[in-house]
Amino acid sequence: RKEVEQDPGPFNVPEGATVAFNCTYSNSASQSFFWYRQDCRKEPKLLMSVYSSGNEDGRFTAQLNRASQYISLLIRDSKLRESATYLCVVKVNQFYFGTGTSLTVIP
Amino acid sequence: NAGVTQTPKFHILKIGQSMTLQCTQDMNHNYMYWYRQDPGMGLKLIYYSVGAGITDKGEVPNGYNVSRSTTEDFPLRLELAAPSQTSVYFCASSSWSGTGTYSNQPQHFGDGTRLSIL
Repeated sequence: RKEVEQDPGPFNVPEGATVAFNCTYSNSASQSFFWYRQDCRKEPKLLMSVYSSGNEDGRFTAQLNRASQYISLLIRDSKLRESATYLCVVKVNQFYFGTGTSLTVIP
Repeated sequence: NAGVTQTPKFHILKIGQSMTLQCTQDMNHNYMYWYRQDPGMGLKLIYYSVGAGITDKGEVPNGYNVSRSTTEDFPLRLELAAPSQTSVYFCASSSWSGTGTYSNQPQHFGDGTRLSIL
C-alpha cells in the first residue's frame, strides 16, 4: 500500500469555482502534513503546511482528519494562475509525496 | 536568498559516461535529499542524508552514489549513465526532523537538473 494516495485528476474547473482535493495516508504515526504546488517542469513549492486544527491562507483552506487519515485542500474562487499539480506530502521519519492532482482552471 | 542551488540546469550525457549533479544549500539544513521525476510521474527518492558524513538509500538508489562531506553540499553522481536515467533531478533540504517545534518543517527544493542520456 502506498504511503500517500491522491486522485490524479485531472480536475478541469471554470475560473471562480471552488475545488477540493483529498489525500489519504497509511501511517497513523505521521507527524507533519503539507500541500505543495508544482508547475509544469518546475520544482515543487510549498503551498501550505496543514495543522491539526485546520488552517486557512486567503482562498486556500487545509484540513487534517487524523482519525480517518486524510488531508484536504480547498481552493475558493479559483484563478487561472492556479492551474498546476498539487502534491500531498506526509512526513513520518521521511517525506512521502503523493503523485499529485492536476488542476486546470478554464477561462 | 539563494536557498537550494542545483547545477547544471540542463545536461546531455552519452550512454556510459559519468557525471556529478551539484547541490548546495545555504540554510544550514541538516537533512538533504535527491529525487528524480520522470515525465508525468511523481517524485522518487534516490538518496538522502541526515547530516554531514551520513547518507542512506531511498526508493531508487541503483546507478547513483552520493556523498555528504559538508552540511552545505550533497552531490549526486551517476556512474555509467543509462537511458533509463533520463529524468529531472531535484535536490531538497529541510531542517531537523525532530518533534515539537521543528517537526513541521517542510522541504525546500532546488529548481532541478534536466538530464538527457542519449
